[in-house]
Amino acid sequence: AQSVTQLDSHVSVSEGTPVLLRCNYSSSYSPSLFWYVQHPNKGLQLLLKYTSAATLVKGINGFEAEFKKSETSFHLTKPSAHMSDAAEYFCVVRNAGNMLTFGGGTRLMVKP
Amino acid sequence: DGGITQSPKYLFRKEGQNVTLSCEQNLNHDAMYWYRQDPGQGLRLIYYSQIVNDFQKGDIAEGYSVSREKKESFPLTVTSAQKNPTAFYLCASSIGLGDQETQYFGPGTRLLVL
Repeated sequence: AQSVTQLDSHVSVSEGTPVLLRCNYSSSYSPSLFWYVQHPNKGLQLLLKYTSAATLVKGINGFEAEFKKSETSFHLTKPSAHMSDAAEYFCVVRNAGNMLTFGGGTRLMVKP
Repeated sequence: DGGITQSPKYLFRKEGQNVTLSCEQNLNHDAMYWYRQDPGQGLRLIYYSQIVNDFQKGDIAEGYSVSREKKESFPLTVTSAQKNPTAFYLCASSIGLGDQETQYFGPGTRLLVL
């Protein structure tokens, strides 16, 4: 069975500093992995996805994530946080039946 | 505009009442999904449909029902059997096969019990 663990429920950074949102997964085969962002009372927006191509994936709004099979990790990073990045972020793994398993979410707060 | 629409944005339910949440997409996607989101938690799958006139239970289908009579529409009914319906409900649709499949989400409906 697949599972996703987001290691931090809350992350707080200052504007202009780097962002790191951590995600570990377990999967019995080579997984597809996604990061989605959710602003308050909104739906989820796809940031980026990994589907067995390049291990460093670039997404929208300057975010990127690196798939590390040896560490079973898919951490999300951004070099410089912006106030508009404040939101909840979900790491997601797709299982063998093409269904998605969601992590518990990480709330990112950006201080001015 | 192409996209996924959900209505209403907010919905209130009285005890013992059935309510129906609408989800429409004009993206020509074959598959559609309903998720429930509770505060501080990830999404849990209620029902999904991969083609018209066919749907499958997800992880938490009890107390819910769906229909898929048209490709564009996948309404969710929250029945009186669902004892804890207060949540944020998200509809999604997907395109692609296998590794290329990506789900896109609607704006959500917040259901509150009076």
